[in-house]
Amino acid sequence: DIVMTQSPDSLAVSLGERATINCKSSQSVLYNSNNQNYLAWYQQKPGQPPKLLIHLTSVREFGVPDRFSGSGSGTDFTLTISSLQADDVAVYYCQQYYNTQTWTFGQGTKVEIK
Amino acid sequence: QVQLQQSGPGLVKPSQTLSLTCGISGDSVSSNRANWNWIRQSPSRGLEWLGRTSYRSRWRNDYAVSVKSRISVTPDTSRNQFFLQLKSVTADDTAVYYCAREIVGIAGFDVWGQGTMVTVSS
Repeated sequence: DIVMTQSPDSLAVSLGERATINCKSSQSVLYNSNNQNYLAWYQQKPGQPPKLLIHLTSVREFGVPDRFSGSGSGTDFTLTISSLQADDVAVYYCQQYYNTQTWTFGQGTKVEIK
Repeated sequence: QVQLQQSGPGLVKPSQTLSLTCGISGDSVSSNRANWNWIRQSPSRGLEWLGRTSYRSRWRNDYAVSVKSRISVTPDTSRNQFFLQLKSVTADDTAVYYCAREIVGIAGFDVWGQGTMVTVSS
């Protein structure tokens, strides 16, 4: 199975500052057939299910603020929150889908206000 | 607006079968552009995808290797819902269970059920 490793496990950022979360895959999730990286990002707040923020590495879901952005390719991916807001306090997960028809998630990164 | 509503018991005895239902509104379990999934979350395992059912001219299932011998995900077209059955449960299966929709081509779960905390205990 592909293993997804996020870093850091937690980070504290001042309001208005940038938060960066990394996600590394144990093998490439790049589909050569369509040149797409099947990598998604989720936000989870206490007592709620995860919420899909970004799919296909960098495509924001409808209604997700543009301060959230995703990038990367192959095995290394990043979620950036350009200007942290109080409402962004949550745990963030990356997730991959590859040709084994199975999904795996990262262990999560907890984002807090400094 | 698509919504998923979960139901089922919160307590299951060891060695018995965990059974959950996910009701769909605003979409169809028979849609050929969606897959219907079960995912669980626990402190020890994190988020773990378990399996899915989908209809592409015929019904198809995919399951995680970790539970493949014990899991069944089945559709109910008459009530527009789908089920999770997990046999021979142990304390290690204690988790919050979620159903979720995946749209083909999105490669992500865009709609989730509310979650069901299932405890395996005698």
